[in-house]
Amino acid sequence: GAVVSQHPSRVICKSGTSVKIECRSLDFQATTMFWYRQFPKQSLMLMATSNEGSKATYEQGVEKDKFLINHASLTLSTLTVTSAHPEDSSFYICSATGQGLESTYTEAFFGQGTRLTVV
Amino acid sequence: KNQVEQSPQSLIILEGKNCTLQCNYTVSPFSNLRWYKQDTGRGPVSLTIMTFSENTKSNGRYTATLDADTKQSSLHITASQLSDSASYICVVSASSWGKLQFGAGTQVVVTP
Repeated sequence: GAVVSQHPSRVICKSGTSVKIECRSLDFQATTMFWYRQFPKQSLMLMATSNEGSKATYEQGVEKDKFLINHASLTLSTLTVTSAHPEDSSFYICSATGQGLESTYTEAFFGQGTRLTVV
Repeated sequence: KNQVEQSPQSLIILEGKNCTLQCNYTVSPFSNLRWYKQDTGRGPVSLTIMTFSENTKSNGRYTATLDADTKQSSLHITASQLSDSASYICVVSASSWGKLQFGAGTQVVVTP
């Protein structure tokens, strides 16, 4: 299947700093990327949907100024957690779908996830 | 209320045994249902995808069933292996390119 690479896999940062997480589609053009957050033993929660070249659509309750999403190319989307606080500590996962995938419906390929710890 | 409910929340099985996980959904309209396997600290990996016209689909030792009339799906794991220990997530989409609705997952632990 298609490959989505997410980096870094783990990051520890100090409170107040910003952290950038990258999500790359390696063998297809990701016209749409999704960013999820997952708390321990809970389901994935969609944070935002981004289409290449346009502003991201954020889910209700997600602060767009805190979680900056950029989808400037068909193979790269980034999530920047700005002014991070301990409550932002979580597992963040991206997924991507788009052109070139042999499917009649949205096949969502997920990145490996990023464990963010804010101290 | 979550539109995708999974049961049980967790289960422990002996290596070599079979188990069945359940998924009930209320998502409507319905386009497709997927089962994903998520290892701890990793992203989900697709196991099966079924549209409303498909009743069953297999991927190795994993067999998914779908009853679109009753809005129920199951995932059967045959001859479990230690590597099957993971969270299994049921995901339903309302349209071909629609938003995915995630279940909370069933945590499976396979013991020697």
